Amino acid sequence: DAEITQSPRHKITETGRQVTLACHQTWNHNNMFWYRQDLGHGLRLIHYSYGVQDTNKGEVSDGYSVSRSNTEDLPLTLESAASSQTSVYFCASSDRAGGNEDEQFFGPGTRLTVL
Amino acid sequence: EDQVTQSPEALRLQEGESSSLNCSYTVSGLRGLFWYRQDPGKGPEFLFTLYSAGEEKEKERLKATLTKKESFLHITAPKPEDSATYLCAAEGGTSYGKLTFGQGTILTVHP
Repeated sequence: DAEITQSPRHKITETGRQVTLACHQTWNHNNMFWYRQDLGHGLRLIHYSYGVQDTNKGEVSDGYSVSRSNTEDLPLTLESAASSQTSVYFCASSDRAGGNEDEQFFGPGTRLTVL
Repeated sequence: EDQVTQSPEALRLQEGESSSLNCSYTVSGLRGLFWYRQDPGKGPEFLFTLYSAGEEKEKERLKATLTKKESFLHITAPKPEDSATYLCAAEGGTSYGKLTFGQGTILTVHP
């Protein structure tokens, strides 16, 4: 079955370190998204991509970067981790081609703690 | 700027006690209004997409409706397994594929 996976599921790191969170989907979806979820803020969009070599900034992109070298993967990099980036991170994908339902499918999440 | 507001923040129901969750949105040129369910420690799970005012969709004990300013998620005769956080999200006309989420309603159904 097609799915979307994230790794690691839990990560503890130190302030100033570079961290990369992986997202892999097997639906062959063109669109991929990264969100963070915090109490009191709900889900907020960090970066998104409409296809290979395409990346765009979302609402809370400062301190994060993404790259899209193939359809299946959109890794999220925290260039210099800060305590304010402690959060739960969700990856999602969607594809409008040929369908009426435009829903985004979400991964299981990565809980990141920055000490 | 697109905005989505959900109410109430939390709702406690007895098993079988029907109720509704509200999602108010301010979006320029709504493309779609989405409902998701999220269980603790998991990613959001898609429930419904509504595209135009007057549209309704049903799935088991859940029914979603849409007006020009808000959406409702009606829960009929809920069971304890319906306990979860319900998220509403809107896609605006200038935001292809991008969703603006509300903060969610935490639903607890007691047996």
